Amino acid sequence: EPEVTQTPSHQVTQMGQEVILRCVPISNHLYFYWYRQILGQKVEFLVSFYNNEISEKSEIFDDQFSVERPDGSNFTLKIRSTKLEDSAMYFCARNRVGGDSPLHFGNGTRLTVT
Amino acid sequence: DQQVKQNSPSLSVQEGRISILNCDYTNSMFDYFLWYKKYPAEGPTFLISISSIKDKNEDGRFTVFLNKSAKHLSLHIVPSQPGDSAVYFCAAVPGDTDKLIFGTGTRLQVFP
Repeated sequence: EPEVTQTPSHQVTQMGQEVILRCVPISNHLYFYWYRQILGQKVEFLVSFYNNEISEKSEIFDDQFSVERPDGSNFTLKIRSTKLEDSAMYFCARNRVGGDSPLHFGNGTRLTVT
Repeated sequence: DQQVKQNSPSLSVQEGRISILNCDYTNSMFDYFLWYKKYPAEGPTFLISISSIKDKNEDGRFTVFLNKSAKHLSLHIVPSQPGDSAVYFCAAVPGDTDKLIFGTGTRLQVFP
């Protein structure tokens, strides 16, 4: 069973709409990440989040994207105005502080933009 | 910019035999490598990792080999089981960051 729970498992939205993807880590970890996988392509890094701040982001993570941890538990990825090319699987991941600890991923949210 | 490459999109192996999945990389700054397994509709599941200061790491049926001079790593699964059928991704971590850079994946099918 994944140590990271993501909701919803599938989200369908119309182009231009805002979506919020949620991630609930079971344990109290400080490092969180969002990755995505467009169908048939590789898993790509979007953003890392440490101690309630973005620590690193990729070129994909433009102004349409934002992350936050509003209540100290849920970790959210917001896409303000979705585009067709945002259709992908979005994975939340976490690891422990320090050491060579591997990332553990949630089961993902499939986002379909129509 | 494909810094991590998995040149074989698929591999088919008979149950009980060895599966060898290969991965090449171009960035000499990578200092940590991982293998993940992914089933449909699930997230990547961590399998095994290796630090750049080692050349081999073993965990049960899984062994990862790292050849730094060739910028090549491989995952050996022996004996292969039907439940190993999945997509396998190698990933690398640059020394100055903690993000994972994934390869494109190899679909392994283990048949009886």
